[in-house]
Amino acid sequence: SAVISQKPSRDICQRGTSLTIQCQVDSQVTMMFWYRQQPGQSLTLIATANQGSEATYESGFVIDKFPISRPNLTFSTLTVSNMSPEDSSIYLCSALTGSYEQYFGPGTRLTVT
Amino acid sequence: KQEVTQIPAALSVPEGENLVLNCSFTDSAIYNLQWFRQDPGKGLTSLLLIQSSQREQTSGRLNASLDKSSGRSTLYIAASQPGDSATYLCAVRILGNEKLTFGTGTRLTIIP
Repeated sequence: SAVISQKPSRDICQRGTSLTIQCQVDSQVTMMFWYRQQPGQSLTLIATANQGSEATYESGFVIDKFPISRPNLTFSTLTVSNMSPEDSSIYLCSALTGSYEQYFGPGTRLTVT
Repeated sequence: KQEVTQIPAALSVPEGENLVLNCSFTDSAIYNLQWFRQDPGKGLTSLLLIQSSQREQTSGRLNASLDKSSGRSTLYIAASQPGDSATYLCAVRILGNEKLTFGTGTRLTIIP
């Protein structure tokens, strides 16, 4: 299994600013992912965080808006840049173990005013 | 492209009843299927993982079945409790792809 923590748990930010979300896993995992969940919606995959190289982004998401780092096997960050109210969502970090079971962090609730 | 559907979208049942949540998927070439629970404003909690070679998995009052050929999975909850109220999501991982495809979810309310 894997236990995932995220910081911050929530934040209220002003339009045009940036927020970096940290994700820490308690064990080495195969892959790490970042998801977004807008109110009342299901999860949307933003990108796969690759250790030591550029993240792999899904259609509709770009590195300039959502830069991601993964310096080692247990830690990743997601930055939401130049925020607008449309970025208000829950952002979820996720990790895939070697047994191909996926775990999720508690989420970061972001409100942009 | 894999599509995952969950029916019903919402379900309310009295406490103590047994219930079944349904999940269907279009591509049967799956690697595994996971059931998750999500409480409002929170992250997802993994409930059960079923590998493609398995027919069912059990954890406490939960039992998940998988019929790969028909593209269906069910989550059976026995003796439901108010604490079971949450949104339940199924997610499928297809062969050769590490990404999960999520269903639309079933919002479950257990009435005391």
